Amino acid sequence: DAGITQSPRHKVTETGTPVTLRCHQTENHRYMYWYRQDPGHGLRLIHYSYGVKDTDKGEVSDGYSVSRSKTEDFLLTLESATSSQTSVYFCAISTQGVNTEAFFGQGTRLTVV
Amino acid sequence: GQQVMQIPQYQHVQEGEDFTTYCNSSTTLSNIQWYKQRPGGHPVFLIQLVKSGEVKKQKRLTFQFGEAKKNSSLHITATQTTDVGTYFCAGPGSGYALNFGKGTSLLVTP
Repeated sequence: DAGITQSPRHKVTETGTPVTLRCHQTENHRYMYWYRQDPGHGLRLIHYSYGVKDTDKGEVSDGYSVSRSKTEDFLLTLESATSSQTSVYFCAISTQGVNTEAFFGQGTRLTVV
Repeated sequence: GQQVMQIPQYQHVQEGEDFTTYCNSSTTLSNIQWYKQRPGGHPVFLIQLVKSGEVKKQKRLTFQFGEAKKNSSLHITATQTTDVGTYFCAGPGSGYALNFGKGTSLLVTP
């Protein structure tokens, strides 16, 4: 597997609290992505990064923010968690964006109660 | 961004039967990728198709890219229990990210 580590792997949090998920890569890939996976919806893009400090929104970005201060780390923050953000979150990396394969992390299961 | 539609959503087969999942886009795709996700796991890249009419094989798996580069299929011959999982197609979306279909979940009964 590609060198991608997501932390934490599991988290339960209360509604209204801030939550930060971390994606760390050792591959020096330029592109990093956050997807969420929910039953019946497949993988939906939240945000992505195409370089340090360069990020853009995906189709389900409301309620989420991201930061990439260095190549290896991509952080996803839920400013004020809601129950609708209960999901499995996957980080992915790639060398050339949409023209090459994406490597996925193991996922983070987040439950907002 | 471009949307990719995938059917069927679920498929339940007996071991040894064939399986096919289809992916369709309303716009021409520069490439299409296929991923497999085992239950409880993460998506894993299978293959990328780039050329119009391209056909690629990986053992019992056959991948096709349509002539118009708007559709693709994955066919598994003689399914095995190890084929269980969800198969996703993905095409270029807006910006530098892939758009994934909703996936086809395959269940294989021994």
